[in-house]
Amino acid sequence: ELKVEQNPLFLSMQEGKNYTIYCNYSTTSDRLYWYRQDPGKSLESLFVLLSNGAVKQEGRLMASLDTKARLSTLHITAAVHDLSATYFCAVDSRDDKIIFGKGTRLHILP
Amino acid sequence: KAGVTQTPRYLIKTRGQQVTLSCSPISGHRSVSWYQQTPGQGLQFLFEYFSETQRNKGNFPGRFSGRQFSNSRSEMNVSTLELGDSALYLCASSLEQRQGWYEQYFGPGTRLTVT
Repeated sequence: ELKVEQNPLFLSMQEGKNYTIYCNYSTTSDRLYWYRQDPGKSLESLFVLLSNGAVKQEGRLMASLDTKARLSTLHITAAVHDLSATYFCAVDSRDDKIIFGKGTRLHILP
Repeated sequence: KAGVTQTPRYLIKTRGQQVTLSCSPISGHRSVSWYQQTPGQGLQFLFEYFSETQRNKGNFPGRFSGRQFSNSRSEMNVSTLELGDSALYLCASSLEQRQGWYEQYFGPGTRLTVT
């Protein structure tokens, strides 16, 4: 059964700093998604990663996928307060179910 | 293009009652998935419908059921509600891609409280 682990689960960081959120998964998959959720809101799709070595960037966020290591990272560059949210990674299992990680609650301090 | 809509947005029910939630996908999307989000369990997959057929199902009891209509709108039903069913229920729609992957677009959710 596919398991998806994110770490850290909570992260408080200063504006202007860089940090990385990690997403590990337990079985083979080559489709990984990153989502953002603001408090009381729904999920917003950030990135879809489809192959080994895939890297995508949008503004201060960059996501990458290493299918051999079963690892995806979401890197935040020069964080700003507007990036405060909960970030989820989700992985397609072999039986086409999408399994979500527990989420990383990111709080960026001014 | 209008996004995914869910109704109602908030709902309060009593234990033992049943509830029906509705989801209208983005126009042209044929796949609808349902998720339950709770603080303890996080986001859990309930089921997915495609062209009126349930294509996949998560590990939830039979009290949770769903269906999809010919216009791709979907409903989920929970019978004999329990306190633990209190959650945010999210619906997501996607446009099936030929390559077999798809990006999901989530609705605002229905907040169900069971008392």
